[in-house]
Amino acid sequence: EADIYQTPRYLVIGTGKKITLECSQTMGHDKMYWYQQDPGMELHLIHYSYGVNSTEKGDLSSESTVSRIRTEHFPLTLESARPSHTSQYLCASSGGGSQETQYFGPGTRLLVL
Amino acid sequence: DAKTTQPTSMDCAEGRAANLPCNHSTISGNEYVYWYRQIHSQGPQYIIHGLKNNETNEMASLIITEDRKSSTLILPHATLRDTAVYYCIGGYQKVTFGTGTKLQVIP
Repeated sequence: EADIYQTPRYLVIGTGKKITLECSQTMGHDKMYWYQQDPGMELHLIHYSYGVNSTEKGDLSSESTVSRIRTEHFPLTLESARPSHTSQYLCASSGGGSQETQYFGPGTRLLVL
Repeated sequence: DAKTTQPTSMDCAEGRAANLPCNHSTISGNEYVYWYRQIHSQGPQYIIHGLKNNETNEMASLIITEDRKSSTLILPHATLRDTAVYYCIGGYQKVTFGTGTKLQVIP
């Protein structure tokens, strides 16, 4: 059973607000990922981290930023939310090495008005 | 990471075996093949993975061809709860999920 948590699960917010989506895992995994997914569409990797103080941008350009100060925590921040940011955001982690199985959180559904 | 190709959609009768194919002709020798599924809009769920040998667990079986250019995920007795999008992924680290196969299990 994967222990990866995301909060909030749902968020409705006005344009221009700053938001932080939280992601935490208790498995001690080094690698963590953020994906963005619109309804019925494919997942797009927007950020990933291979360990503390390591962050990289994914394949899909995103205005969001991430930080990795602690192994278990990988928050995603939008400084100024816009309607175009409306989407589902999924966080995942993996143990690394040959065990690259990714374990996903339940996701955060974001609606920017 | 290897590029994978999967059919867009498939139907399967409830209780029958669902065989989901995946082509990963560009996979390199040390890259595993992973399968995940996503039910509705939940986070994807890991199913199974393999390198060269066929694999089986409580959820499914994975058959990998000898040349490793393709694989088949087998759900031996599909149920309505197996209706989902199934993703085949070749490689590791920064992987691409693609569009997957939408499996519809029909009563």
